[in-house]
Amino acid sequence: GQNIDQPTEMTATEGAIVQINCTYQTSGFNGLFWYQQHAGEAPTFLSYNVLDGLEEKGRFSSFLSRSKGYSYLLLKELQMKDSASYLCAFSDRGSTLGRLYFGRGTQLTVWP
Amino acid sequence: NAGVTQTPKFQVLKTGQSMTLQCAQDMNHEYMSWYRQDPGMGLRLIHYSVGAGITDQGEVPNGYNVSRSTTEDFPLRLLSAAPSQTSVYFCASSREEYTGELFFGEGSRLTVL
Repeated sequence: GQNIDQPTEMTATEGAIVQINCTYQTSGFNGLFWYQQHAGEAPTFLSYNVLDGLEEKGRFSSFLSRSKGYSYLLLKELQMKDSASYLCAFSDRGSTLGRLYFGRGTQLTVWP
Repeated sequence: NAGVTQTPKFQVLKTGQSMTLQCAQDMNHEYMSWYRQDPGMGLRLIHYSVGAGITDQGEVPNGYNVSRSTTEDFPLRLLSAAPSQTSVYFCASSREEYTGELFFGEGSRLTVL
């Protein structure tokens, strides 16, 4: 079956660096996504990894290790507006089409 | 570009009532999906569609119905609302099925009394 796990909550201070980890299990892995969701709003896309390694996009970076079933989202120079829930998700070809499996989200609180 | 448009944003129903959540996208995306989001549960896939005339079930399809008569529209029907269907519902679309970035609507908050 499929499984995805990430911490429920994290806190950090403004200007710091935080790493949000995500582990997953699936037999038909295709790619790993990270989404950001502010309270009361819809999720918005942050990153997509299909190959092993680090993808950097401004203050945000995402890493993938397919052999370990592991990813992390790295947020640098934290700002108050980064307080949000961060959702890890993987796409799975498997025997069913078009499924994106989401984790329960990590609620990040950035303190001044 | 409007992107993905969902209506209504808020709805209160009584147990047993039926209703339709509307979803439309103007990006010519083939793939569309409906998720529900509950506290502590994350996003769970209800139904999805890979093109007009093609739909399939996700993780939690019971009590919901969908159809895809056009590329643009993907309505979600609640056949007989139950309190367990109280949730926030998101419609999403993407250009590609497996690798595409999902574009979400603003969400519809449904309360079933």
